[in-house]
Amino acid sequence: QQPVQSPQAVILREGEDAVINCSSSKALYSVHWYRQKHGEAPVFLMILLKGGEQKGHDKISASFNEKKQQSSLYLTASQLSYSGTYFCGTDLGGSNYQLIWGAGTKLIIKP
Amino acid sequence: NAGVTQTPKFQVLKTGQSMTLQCAQDMNHEYMSWYRQDPGMGLRLIHYSVGAGITDQGEVPNGYNVSRSTTEDFPLRLLSAAPSQTSVYFCASSYLGQGRTEAFFGQGTRLTVV
Repeated sequence: QQPVQSPQAVILREGEDAVINCSSSKALYSVHWYRQKHGEAPVFLMILLKGGEQKGHDKISASFNEKKQQSSLYLTASQLSYSGTYFCGTDLGGSNYQLIWGAGTKLIIKP
Repeated sequence: NAGVTQTPKFQVLKTGQSMTLQCAQDMNHEYMSWYRQDPGMGLRLIHYSVGAGITDQGEVPNGYNVSRSTTEDFPLRLLSAAPSQTSVYFCASSYLGQGRTEAFFGQGTRLTVV
């Protein structure tokens, strides 16, 4: 089943912070985060494995709560280049090789 | 590095026509997959492969066939195109490690079926 992303869209001023959430109804092995700009292919941001690990990538970080089957992506001091649609992909692990993707969160950064 | 190469970038088909979308990667990745992306939706998995000679169905396999005769190539065949198959198609590849690793995507094929 498709994970639920929230919010569906968010508009920020440059320098503001944002949080994007991804929630699954199934136990997860890992959560993947990608950003897609209009007309382009998705680009990898990070993978979080079960264990509550938090990762960072420049001013973008994420957490994974395996008990709640939720992951959150944190964008700090947003830049214009952060604009795009953010997708989470959920991985059940084991012999299941399917990544199930959320519908995306559209992020608009205004100067 | 070429990465993942998809061809063509754009295609218009008539209902009932068949065609093959090409995907090639030069990173020696075991895992390759095909997705479709419709407006306002995330990626939906059509078919995937964990190695040469091995393929399996994803969420939305009907109307599509795949084969994996080499590690590098993973073509997607539309058997008899329908307007419902109008979409943007992405091919992706990755290593198989602990779960899935970073996926590299091709630039996409925008397909219109009239």
